[in-house]
Amino acid sequence: AQSVTQLGSHVSVSEGALVLLRCNYSSSVPPYLFWYVQYPNQGLQLLLKYTTGATLVKGINGFEAEFKKSETSFHLTKPSAHMSDAAEYFCAVSDGGATNKLIFGTGTLLAVQP
Amino acid sequence: IAGITQAPTSQILAAGRRMTLRCTQDMRHNAMYWYRQDLGLGLRLIHYSNTAGTTGKGEVPDGYSVSRANTDDFPLTLASAVPSQTSVYFCASSDGATQYFGPGTRLTVL
Repeated sequence: AQSVTQLGSHVSVSEGALVLLRCNYSSSVPPYLFWYVQYPNQGLQLLLKYTTGATLVKGINGFEAEFKKSETSFHLTKPSAHMSDAAEYFCAVSDGGATNKLIFGTGTLLAVQP
Repeated sequence: IAGITQAPTSQILAAGRRMTLRCTQDMRHNAMYWYRQDLGLGLRLIHYSNTAGTTGKGEVPDGYSVSRANTDDFPLTLASAVPSQTSVYFCASSDGATQYFGPGTRLTVL
């Protein structure tokens, strides 16, 4: 069975500071990994994904994540936070099979302080 | 390109009533999904469909049913709503690698 753990339900950073949102996964097969962002009262928008190949994945809005198999991690980072980054972020895993079902973490709410 | 549309945007429903949440996609994706989002629990899969004519149960299917008569539409029905079904419901479709989400329906069952 697959699972996702997001450490820290709330993270607060200052504008211009590094953003680090943690995600660890459990999977018995090579995983497909995703980060989604949800702005207030909106649906989920794909930030980035890892399927195969290069382990450092770049996404939209300056975010990137690195797949580390040895640590079963897929942490999300951004060098410099912007006020517009304030949102909830979800890490998710799938087995990439025919059904492609996603298992989500419980989310991390990012606050950006001026 | 509309992507995925959901209706209604929000609804208040009396317990015991029947309710159908609508979901339509225009991307011709074979796979579609229904999730519910609850505070502190993230998103949980209710039902899914790999292709028109087939459906499957997700993590929390009890009290919900779905149908997939064609590629574009994937309605979710609550036969007899209960307060624990108060949630935000998201429909999604997949191109095989990535799931794309609709804007959601906020449902309150009183």
